Amino acid sequence: DAGITQSPRHKVTETGTPVTLRCHQTENHRYMYWYRQDPGHGLRLIHYSYGVKDTDKGEVSDGYSVSRSKTEDFLLTLESATSSQTSVYFCAISEAGGFNTGELFFGEGSRLTVL
Amino acid sequence: TQLLEQSPQFLSIQEGENLTVYCNSSSVFSSLQWYRQEPGEGPVLLVTVVTGGEVKKLKRLTFQFGDARKDSSLHITAAQPGDTGLYLCSSSNTGKLIFGQGTTLQVKP
Repeated sequence: DAGITQSPRHKVTETGTPVTLRCHQTENHRYMYWYRQDPGHGLRLIHYSYGVKDTDKGEVSDGYSVSRSKTEDFLLTLESATSSQTSVYFCAISEAGGFNTGELFFGEGSRLTVL
Repeated sequence: TQLLEQSPQFLSIQEGENLTVYCNSSSVFSSLQWYRQEPGEGPVLLVTVVTGGEVKKLKRLTFQFGDARKDSSLHITAAQPGDTGLYLCSSSNTGKLIFGQGTTLQVKP
């Protein structure tokens, strides 16, 4: 199994508070991704990174920011959480560009509830 | 915009039965992946198919890629409770990776 650790695994917070989710990998893969999974919407890409300090937006990036200061860490930040951001968040990694190969390795997910 | 449609959305069967789930698109796939996601965990890659007409087997799971590369199927023989989960297909095309909404499979003992 790919070495991907997400933290926290569960978090309950209040509307308007900042939240940071962390993804840590031990595989030295170049590409890292943040997805959210919601009933009826499937997996949707929030942001992705193709190298240290190189990031780009996905299809549902509004309200989220990311940072990657080291190969192994990819942070997802909700500056001011809203109830619509209640979801399960998955980090994924790929050695080659996942958009070309489609072969991603996922973490176990972080369940976020915004009250 | 390419969409991946999976069917059925839900499937509940008894242990030992066979089943097939489908992934279809109006566009041609460059490649297609199948993932299985168990409750409370992330998706796990099962297989990638690339060539039209390709068939791959993984124990009791058989994956088929349509000749025109616009559809794929996953057939499970003699399903077991351990096969329970969400089955997702994904495809990469013109630089975008998209996922279907999945088929939720429940195999009852």
